[in-house]
Amino acid sequence: EVQLLESGGGLVQPGGSLRLSCAASGFTFTNFAMSWVRQAPGKGLEWVSDISDSGDSPYYADSVKGRFTISRDNSKNTLYLQMNSLRAEDTAVYYCAKIMVTTNYFDFWGHGTLVTVSS
Amino acid sequence: DIQMTQSPSTLSASVGDRVTITCRASQSISSWLAWYQQKPGKAPKVLIYKASSLESGVPSRFSGSGSGTEFSLTISSLQPDDFATYYCQQYNSYPLSFGGGTKVEIK
Repeated sequence: EVQLLESGGGLVQPGGSLRLSCAASGFTFTNFAMSWVRQAPGKGLEWVSDISDSGDSPYYADSVKGRFTISRDNSKNTLYLQMNSLRAEDTAVYYCAKIMVTTNYFDFWGHGTLVTVSS
Repeated sequence: DIQMTQSPSTLSASVGDRVTITCRASQSISSWLAWYQQKPGKAPKVLIYKASSLESGVPSRFSGSGSGTEFSLTISSLQPDDFATYYCQQYNSYPLSFGGGTKVEIK
């Protein structure tokens, strides 16, 4: 059974940093690209970042470029999102999502972790 | 960047109704479109990929159509479990983008 378990969310002050993790199981993690998608409270879905199966070729939304870094540790089956210089508008539930092979749609999502940026 | 526009933003319908949601891309995305269903407090779930391919395990009352810039998701006979918010997503090019969502409510 595919499982994606996000952690690391919480309350952080503006300008602060946070690192999200996503522990994957139930599939061969090294064979799949992965993504982070976020959803602000009461709002729609916003793609944040992608990373290839090997860990190279990351992509970022303009809204987070230069502040967020996606990475993965294939030996630990874990995806990360390092978030720096956080802003109030980064407040959202952050979902980890598995990307279907050779495409860029999300065939499985984690339950999400809430990040709140507030003083 | 490709903008995705969904309509309507809210739809009121009854059990058994045929429901259609539309999604328009600001430029051609061929058939690189997915549809997701999201219920309150839950993660999205994929229903349709490549515009018209039904994801495994998804009921056949869901169908997708379209190509280029115009797409639609149809629920042939709305069931109680289908009241949710639906999103389209283009994966033709980066940055990936979602439509604003369509909330299907009970009439």
